[in-house]
Amino acid sequence: NAGVMQNPRHLVRRRGQEARLRCSPMKGHSHVYWYRQLPEEGLKFMVYLQKENIIDESGMPKERFSAEFPKEGPSILRIQQVVRGDSAAYFCASSLDRPDGYTFGSGTRLTVV
Amino acid sequence: DAKTTQPTSMDCAEGRAANLPCNHSTISGNEYVYWYRQIHSQGPQYIIHGLKNNETNEMASLIITEDRKSSTLILPHATLRDTAVYYCIVRETSGSRLTFGEGTQLTVNP
Repeated sequence: NAGVMQNPRHLVRRRGQEARLRCSPMKGHSHVYWYRQLPEEGLKFMVYLQKENIIDESGMPKERFSAEFPKEGPSILRIQQVVRGDSAAYFCASSLDRPDGYTFGSGTRLTVV
Repeated sequence: DAKTTQPTSMDCAEGRAANLPCNHSTISGNEYVYWYRQIHSQGPQYIIHGLKNNETNEMASLIITEDRKSSTLILPHATLRDTAVYYCIVRETSGSRLTFGEGTQLTVNP
């Protein structure tokens, strides 16, 4: 049973371009969470999704960021018109519908040049 | 979710037990205690969680005080690969997010 798969592992974008980060949860997991970790900082919650629904997006920046978790396929975190301050590691986690721990992916390192 | 307090850093000798404390004095009855760790820039790794009783798995033991206001994560035989930032988090059973604090930087020395 593969773990949480994130791709790409590394992504380089020029300022103003779009970044798409993909996350495939563990098999059977219907809850997906996105976190961001800026250089030398802690993990910050961004958004929590269940299939086709955004449950909690209180950590998402108001502009340029969006997330989806369609019925079929991976969850996508989309960042439009990237700026240098978006450079960070973005981690996805998934869980079952019970109070077990999350399983995190290895992250996508986004570098904006 | 209740706030937790952890020491900023700790050292441990290789092969010895590492005991990482966490205070969560405002924890409520339906909140679980979770422990995660993050090894340098990797994705966080779930270690263990508990509600009231002590818990043990292949990675660690979790000791929760009777009043539930504090807990200790025990790595029974620390290795160099256990060097990481360890996070103690409390979360409602019906909650969604895990809120990561600053954690404890554990350094295992040879």
